[in-house]
Amino acid sequence: AQTVTQSQPEMSVQEAETVTLSCTYDTSESDYYLFWYKQPPSRQMILVIRQEAYKQQNATENRFSVNFQKAAKSFSLKISDSQLGDAAMYFCARPATSGTYKYIFGTGTRLKVLA
Amino acid sequence: KAGVTQTPRYLIKTRGQQVTLSCSPISGHRSVSWYQQTPGQGLQFLFEYFSETQRNKGNFPGRFSGRQFSNSRSEMNVSTLELGDSALYLCASSAGAFGQRNQETQYFGPGTRLLVL
Repeated sequence: AQTVTQSQPEMSVQEAETVTLSCTYDTSESDYYLFWYKQPPSRQMILVIRQEAYKQQNATENRFSVNFQKAAKSFSLKISDSQLGDAAMYFCARPATSGTYKYIFGTGTRLKVLA
Repeated sequence: KAGVTQTPRYLIKTRGQQVTLSCSPISGHRSVSWYQQTPGQGLQFLFEYFSETQRNKGNFPGRFSGRQFSNSRSEMNVSTLELGDSALYLCASSAGAFGQRNQETQYFGPGTRLLVL
């Protein structure tokens, strides 16, 4: 089965604090990409960060970083120094390797940032 | 490089009508995928076009169709609109190289919000 699971429908974080969003996935592939996308309310879905599975080093983009555990098929997103503009829906995703899908998306985690 | 663009951004239609949405991918990208996003169903894959050919198709009725032009621009059409077709329709583009399906990075457009009355 091709699944991506985000077990936290909603999370809250205080401004300037750190928050971690969880994602687990299923795959039989050894070489693949994983993605976190951000979708602010009524705004465009943008790519936050990408992890290449063959790279052991965790990807980092400014305040965003991942904790990639390949054996555990876990791919969490850490947001440091949270800002009000980080409030959004966050989707974890990976390309599908079979079937009638392009990407397999998680159900999303809504992040609220408290001032 | 310009991002993915979609037109129109908003549409209001009535049941039974048809609608055509347009998507222009990032320059150089040959793959265009369409998704339907609703609060209840989340993101659902409609279809993918690559080099003017449908390469992949999700589980949607035949009322949903698409095409791709030689310049990689894509259109999707929904005929005989139903209330349940009200959604945000997202287009995403990627380079689309063969043999690297599990390494493709998609970039999304702003979406077209369709309301069916």
